[in-house]
Amino acid sequence: DSGVTQTPKHLITATGQRVTLRCSPRSGDLSVYWYQQSLDQGLQFLIHYYNGEERAKGNILERFSAQQFPDLHSELNLSSLELGDSALYFCASSGTANTGELFFGEGSRLTVL
Amino acid sequence: AQSVTQLGSHVSVSEGALVLLRCNYSSSVPPYLFWYVQYPNQGLQLLLKYTSAATLVKGINGFEAEFKKSETSFHLTKPSAHMSDAAEYFCAVSPRLNSGYSTLTFGKGTMLLVSP
Repeated sequence: DSGVTQTPKHLITATGQRVTLRCSPRSGDLSVYWYQQSLDQGLQFLIHYYNGEERAKGNILERFSAQQFPDLHSELNLSSLELGDSALYFCASSGTANTGELFFGEGSRLTVL
Repeated sequence: AQSVTQLGSHVSVSEGALVLLRCNYSSSVPPYLFWYVQYPNQGLQLLLKYTSAATLVKGINGFEAEFKKSETSFHLTKPSAHMSDAAEYFCAVSPRLNSGYSTLTFGKGTMLLVSP
């Protein structure tokens, strides 16, 4: 158990819809990262938040947004969903030490029909 | 930009055989390097990491990796494969920053298949 909790584990929705994925980092971790894993693109970095502030953006679409709340949990919002958005979305957290090590949740599997 | 290349999307070994998963990195300065493992229906779990101490790094479950700057490689090995090692393995790179955080860039992954 990494200590990172993601909900929901599975989500099926239709094209054009909007969903919210939730992540609770390990206790005490200030950084939250979101990654998308798909068969064709592999693991792609989406966005990083540190203590409520956005710190880095990766290959995140404009239809996607995220935020980190004062209690440090994070939400990833996906809107105007397309078939190609079907993927496994991982949240990871890390502490303040710059070791680069990330602790991953078990992921949220999104299926867009 | 930093990147890693994993050679071979699938590697098949017999139980008891040597495991060798290849990873080459691209970086102007030696980065931090990692190997993560993903078991079916689970998140990624850290196997081992290189952060500039010993070049031969030992990880969990009997895995180890050697950082070779001259070859820009960080190959993962295990002397004797177990059935339980069947999983997908990811090599990842992170820049050396003093900002208190970093972003991992992952390779495409190598699926390890272990046959009895």
